Amino acid sequence: AAGVIQSPRHLIKEKRETATLKCYPIPRHDTVYWYQQGPGQDPQFLISFYEKMQSDKGSIPDRFSAQQFSDYHSELNMSSLELGDSALYFCASSLLRPLGYEQYFGPGTRLTVT
Amino acid sequence: SQQGEEDPQALSIQEGENATMNCSYKTSINNLQWYRQNSGRGLVHLILIRSNEREKHSGRLRVTLDTSKKSSSLLITASRAADTASYFCATDAVIQGAQKLVFGQGTRLTINP
Repeated sequence: AAGVIQSPRHLIKEKRETATLKCYPIPRHDTVYWYQQGPGQDPQFLISFYEKMQSDKGSIPDRFSAQQFSDYHSELNMSSLELGDSALYFCASSLLRPLGYEQYFGPGTRLTVT
Repeated sequence: SQQGEEDPQALSIQEGENATMNCSYKTSINNLQWYRQNSGRGLVHLILIRSNEREKHSGRLRVTLDTSKKSSSLLITASRAADTASYFCATDAVIQGAQKLVFGQGTRLTINP
């Protein structure tokens, strides 16, 4: 069965650079979520989209932005990167309706900021 | 503050023993989910239990939910070395029309051969 695809799997950037992470949800899933997991930390919710509209916002810095496109894939754009942005970034997708969904996670993108 | 908090933070047992991990949360939920994560890898969904359910089984996994105590437990029976991983509970709530998962801190489980 198709799973959530994230690209790239690994990314190395320097401080103050920009990074773009991509997420391709499971076909027919209408909701995409982004999470950030720092070293030794639990995943933290960043932002979610339902039917291409932002549906919820968590602890996402103003330097980050995201969108969901017409084909339901999503991109997380990160500007003015800081060392503290080094983390695993997970994307998850689900079917929002009915309630009681399961979120399916991608393998993550490991971002290293040097 | 975090919705889900897990206990213990780390657990080390011998292969074949049972492992029990607990999770507490603070607000009303629609459901509670358990995830597994191998070091540096993606999160793998294990089991979902709805707020009107009290117990659920899946293979060697048994999950209980006590909404009056706002707590859940994950039991792994007959543990194997391959069960070594971090286990997270995540609570689901609808906030302003949007669903969101909030993760606990995780329990790092080590199964010793």
